[in-house]
Amino acid sequence: DSGVTQTPKHLITATGQRVTLRCSPRSGDLSVYWYQQSLDQGLQFLIQYYNGEERAKGNILERFSAQQFPDLHSELNLSSLELGDSALYFCASSSRGDQPQHFGDGTRLSIL
Amino acid sequence: AQTVTQSQPEMSVQEAETVTLSCTYDTSESNYYLFWYKQPPSRQMILVIRQEAYKQQNATENRFSVNFQKAAKSFSLKISDSQLGDTAMYFCAFIHNNAGNMLTFGGGTRLMVKP
Repeated sequence: DSGVTQTPKHLITATGQRVTLRCSPRSGDLSVYWYQQSLDQGLQFLIQYYNGEERAKGNILERFSAQQFPDLHSELNLSSLELGDSALYFCASSSRGDQPQHFGDGTRLSIL
Repeated sequence: AQTVTQSQPEMSVQEAETVTLSCTYDTSESNYYLFWYKQPPSRQMILVIRQEAYKQQNATENRFSVNFQKAAKSFSLKISDSQLGDTAMYFCAFIHNNAGNMLTFGGGTRLMVKP
């Protein structure tokens, strides 16, 4: 058990819809990272938050947004969903930038 | 931009034998960290081993060890006494100590351990 909790585990929805993925980091970790794992793109970094502030952005689409709340949990919002957004979305957390990132079990998003 | 390359899409090894997974990376940074993550069929991402670039000594974690060649930008993973539970995708990943600290992953190597 990594200590990082992601909900839900599975999500099935239709094109054009909006979903929210939730992540609770390990106790004491201030950094939260979101990654997308798809068959064609592999594992890609989306966005990082540190203690409530956006720290870095990767290849995140404008239709996607995220935030980190005062209790340090984070949410990734995906809107106007397309078939190509089907993927496994991971959240990871770390205490410092040079420390290993520990991953949650992921949310599998299927767009029908 | 940093890139990580894993040139072996698939590998197999007999149980109890030793296997080495290759990884090369490209960066202009001098201060960085390298990782190997394991993703079994359950799809979890599990940290296997970590190497700091400023340390010349190769990292070791039980049956897992690395061969870190900084000048060659090479970071291979050796699994000794392979076990059936080692069957998984293995990802090499890179992070450097910039403002973002995001992981850059290689494409992965699928390892099958055969009984």
